[in-house]
Amino acid sequence: TQLLEQSPQFLSIQEGENLTVYCNSSSVFSSLQWYRQEPGEGPVLLVTVVTGGEVKKLKRLTFQFGDARKDSSLHITAAQPGDTGLYLCAGYKAAGNKLTFGGGTRVLVKP
Amino acid sequence: KAGVTQTPRYLIKTRGQQVTLSCSPISGHRSVSWYQQTPGQGLQFLFEYFSETQRNKGNFPGRFSGRQFSNSRSEMNVSTLELGDSALYLCASSLLSGSRYTEAFFGQGTRLTVV
Repeated sequence: TQLLEQSPQFLSIQEGENLTVYCNSSSVFSSLQWYRQEPGEGPVLLVTVVTGGEVKKLKRLTFQFGDARKDSSLHITAAQPGDTGLYLCAGYKAAGNKLTFGGGTRVLVKP
Repeated sequence: KAGVTQTPRYLIKTRGQQVTLSCSPISGHRSVSWYQQTPGQGLQFLFEYFSETQRNKGNFPGRFSGRQFSNSRSEMNVSTLELGDSALYLCASSLLSGSRYTEAFFGQGTRLTVV
């Protein structure tokens, strides 16, 4: 059973469209991290959100942490083929010092 | 600043053998965590080391073990390999440990194939 549920599992869109990936849990996390992973490579950290209700923007990517620190979303505006990859959310609990990962959302942006 | 380095990148082993994977964290980082990634189970936490001490362990059998050296480099060992151990093994290093500002930076991983 995944403690962190990511949806959708797969997204295929055309270049220029917008997309949103959701990460939901019944657990409260100290912080939440978003990663992007290319095939055969390790995940690359995109952002860390710490405060409930926090919104962070990274160029065309907008990350939001839920008020109760149980859920998060990633929104990409005007997606480009370079945004293609596996997006992973990971909840961090300071007490156990470990990350719990969602199942991932595979995004394909077609030119 | 060099990132997290994992060696080797690829390994092929036979069932029943043992394997040792190595991880060099980012300079100055004292926390090293290991994860297993498979298509079916996703990324799962194996264990975490901080200042040469294992501080947390995931739900894996005792065949999976690790250690950390005084220079923060870490090794992971899997004994009596099984076909199901085939996976991408990822190492992550963190500057902080136990703080909500902790961020994990991953290496490229070691792809282990057990035949």
